[in-house]
Amino acid sequence: NAGVTQTPKFQVLKTGQSMTLQCAQDMNHEYMSWYRQDPGMGLRLIHYSVGAGITDQGEVPNGYNVSRSTTEDFPLRLLSAAPSQTSVYFCASRGDRGVSGANVLTFGAGSRLTVL
Amino acid sequence: DAKTTQPPSMDCAEGRAANLPCNHSTISGNEYVYWYRQIHSQGPQYIIHGLKNNETNEMASLIITEDRKSSTLILPHATLRDTAVYYCIVTARSNDYKLSFGAGTTVTVRA
Repeated sequence: NAGVTQTPKFQVLKTGQSMTLQCAQDMNHEYMSWYRQDPGMGLRLIHYSVGAGITDQGEVPNGYNVSRSTTEDFPLRLLSAAPSQTSVYFCASRGDRGVSGANVLTFGAGSRLTVL
Repeated sequence: DAKTTQPPSMDCAEGRAANLPCNHSTISGNEYVYWYRQIHSQGPQYIIHGLKNNETNEMASLIITEDRKSSTLILPHATLRDTAVYYCIVTARSNDYKLSFGAGTTVTVRA
């Protein structure tokens, strides 16, 4: 049981390049999300998905696309990278709330992206 | 979601209790208080949550005032491994797909 796996851990892009950050979870969680964290700041929600085939925008969706073709995978695509997208990206997932009803997110280790 | 206010930083002595305050004076009746922490650039980790009653688990205790306008996270015996950024988040269950992490409180536990 690997939890939430993000790849790559580090990436350097040039302005205008595109790339995909991968996120996979093996816990059969329905809910998945992507956050970005800029230096010294909290996490901001980019996109989220409540199940395969269903995605929605978070707080800062511009410049990013997502899709959810399977329960396990939730890739984040940068269409045309800009220096403002330099950040650490975290993927998270959540399963059933359980008895406590808690919204317990399991986060990946993060992907550090630098756009030159 | 209600806005939360946390001190930017605080220090704590190892072995002592760490009391982390959070102000959420505009909280609504259906909104929960969540605490997460983030250790040195790792992904955040869930600690505890509550609605109006005090809660305790193996990691921490959560004390919510009777008027629910503020809360305190208590780490009973802080260790060096508890050094982290602690986030207080207030959200309604219907909206908790969109957890918003503010700047949090940077807690430094000193030997």
